[in-house]
Amino acid sequence: AQRVTQPEKLLSVFKGAPVELKCNYSYSGSPELFWYVQYSRQRLQLLLRHISRESIKGFTADLNKGETSFHLKKPFAQEEDSAMYYCALSGLQGAQKLVFGQGTRLTINP
Amino acid sequence: DTGVSQDPRHKITKRGQNVTFRCDPISEHNRLYWYRQTLGQGPEFLTYFQNEAQLEKSRLLSDRFSAERPKGSFSTLEIQRTEQGDSAMYLCASSLRVTSTDTQYFGPGTRLTVL
Repeated sequence: AQRVTQPEKLLSVFKGAPVELKCNYSYSGSPELFWYVQYSRQRLQLLLRHISRESIKGFTADLNKGETSFHLKKPFAQEEDSAMYYCALSGLQGAQKLVFGQGTRLTINP
Repeated sequence: DTGVSQDPRHKITKRGQNVTFRCDPISEHNRLYWYRQTLGQGPEFLTYFQNEAQLEKSRLLSDRFSAERPKGSFSTLEIQRTEQGDSAMYLCASSLRVTSTDTQYFGPGTRLTVL
């Protein structure tokens, strides 16, 4: 079964502190992993995907196939990072529908 | 704005009524997806079109739900005989399949409230 688990519904850190949003997945095969972000009153948008190996807005995520994890990290949080973050996976063939986690609401305190 | 658009943005209806939502994808995107999101949950896949063909439907899509994409451009999602459990945010996304993977771009959603 395809499943994405984000164990923290809420995460609060201070500005300048490191951030780590956890994501674990189960999938039979080789999935593609994504992080989507939704800022207040904006639409869901792609933050990053594992195959591109980019750093977007200072965020990085490494796919750990052994631990089936794709945690999102940023060394120094900024207030504008406050948002809802969703981890998602899709297959590499067929519909490539996204399977989302429940989301983590990140709040950066000044 | 050349992004994905959805209409209406909000819909309030009484139980038992039919509702129809529209999604206009990014121009020339050949794939279109519908998702549903309830409070406190991530979006859940409902159905997917490649051009005008509906290629996959989730078991979440009961026989009261029907989706179309008649000319491979905009899509409609109709819910017949609405129930209170249908209250949710309905999201549309589109993508352009070029390589082995594609990026889905989401619309703002239609929030449905069934009274």
